[in-house]
Parts: sequence; structure tokens; C-alpha cells
Amino acid sequence: GAGVSQSPSNKVTEKGKDVELRCDPISGHTALYWYRQSLGQGLEFLIYFQGNSAPDKSGLPSDRFSAERTGGSVSTLTIQRTQQEDSAVYLCASSLLGYGPYYEQYFGPGTRLTVT
Amino acid sequence: AQSVTQLGSHVSVSEGALVLLRCNYSSSVPPYLFWYVQYPNQGLQLLLKYTSAATLVKGINGFEAEFKKSETSFHLTKPSAHMSDAAEYFCAVSDRENTGFQKLVFGTGTRLLVSP
Repeated sequence: GAGVSQSPSNKVTEKGKDVELRCDPISGHTALYWYRQSLGQGLEFLIYFQGNSAPDKSGLPSDRFSAERTGGSVSTLTIQRTQQEDSAVYLCASSLLGYGPYYEQYFGPGTRLTVT
Repeated sequence: AQSVTQLGSHVSVSEGALVLLRCNYSSSVPPYLFWYVQYPNQGLQLLLKYTSAATLVKGINGFEAEFKKSETSFHLTKPSAHMSDAAEYFCAVSDRENTGFQKLVFGTGTRLLVSP
């Protein structure tokens, strides 16, 4: 079956512009996660959705970052007024449920964001 | 907070040699532990996971890892390296006491280089 897909695969934007990154999870997966992978910080958790609600937003680095999920499916991560330090690969993952280790997180290929 | 430490940002082996990638966790309670692999320009793929069922865990592609509580370690091994094993490997931990979602905390990664 289809895996987690993300779009765009690459995004180059100018500093100060807003960007939207999209994630399509595996059908039927109720939990969705966003992570960021950067040279300086490694892989870090950003936000988790269970259904359409986000019980944990603790990883969002600033109020310029926001995310939403609609219909228990597609999620959008929005970065406003992008800064150069936002340059990273943004990874999305989904799992059948959000708890317990038996529900593997399946990762998408990521969106590489470059802020110039 | 849970954390994992991966010793060695780069490991080089010859094809056919033993692969050993090190991971140590920090937790007073044995956590759930994972190894992920990331091939160039791809997302993360789960290699194996420890959930307390057995201390020696076998994963895909001939990899295995042994949970050693006394050493707080979860090292990844493979008896004989293949060229196709060249990738970046991430150790991750999930809080076992967490009855909520499965937030993964990743190590900094180890790049495995395999020479002919």
C-alpha cells in the first residue's frame, strides 16, 4: 500500500516568506508526527496529532510554527516569516495509534526546506 | 527526560566485516528502544525495536541488537556488512512509562561507510 507522502520534496524560499509543508499519512493511521532534521540539532520532535487534535506541541521551536490536521488525515506544517535557521529537512510520520511501542511510526521521505 | 547517545558519528568497515554501532540510553526504567536506518534522500525505516519481550532483538536485513540493562546499552550489530548497508543509523528511545503518545527521542546518528 501507499506509504507516507510529503510535498513538496524540496522548497527554496526567501527569508521572511511563509511556507506550507504537506503530509499525507498512511490511510487509517490516527497518529501523525512532525520531526525536523537539521545539521545542528539532529532529529527533533515538533508536534503530534491524535486525530485532528494536537495534545503535544512542545517541540515547536517558536510561535512562527503552526500545524493543523483535517479529517484525521492530511496535515500541514506552516512556518511564517521564515528564517535561515529554519532550513532543515522536515519529516512526517504516522502510526496506527499514538501510544505503545507496538505501533511503528512510518516515515515519509521529507521536505527539504532551504531559506535564502 | 529520556536521551540516547550514539558513539561515533562515522563508522567504516570493509565488506564482509562485523558491523557494530553503539547506543547508550539514559533512564532509570528500561525504556522502549529503536534503531532506524536512513538511506540518502529517503525517510527513516525501522530496523528493529526492543519492548522488553526479549533482550536480543532481530530485525530486518540481518541486523540485531541486544538490550543490556547493566550497561544501559542497545548496540546494533550485523555479522557481515554489505555495500548496501551504507546509510545513516539512528538509535531512538520512547518513554516506557508514558501512557500517552509515542514520542521518539533520537540520537545524533552514525553514518556507516562500507568499503569493498
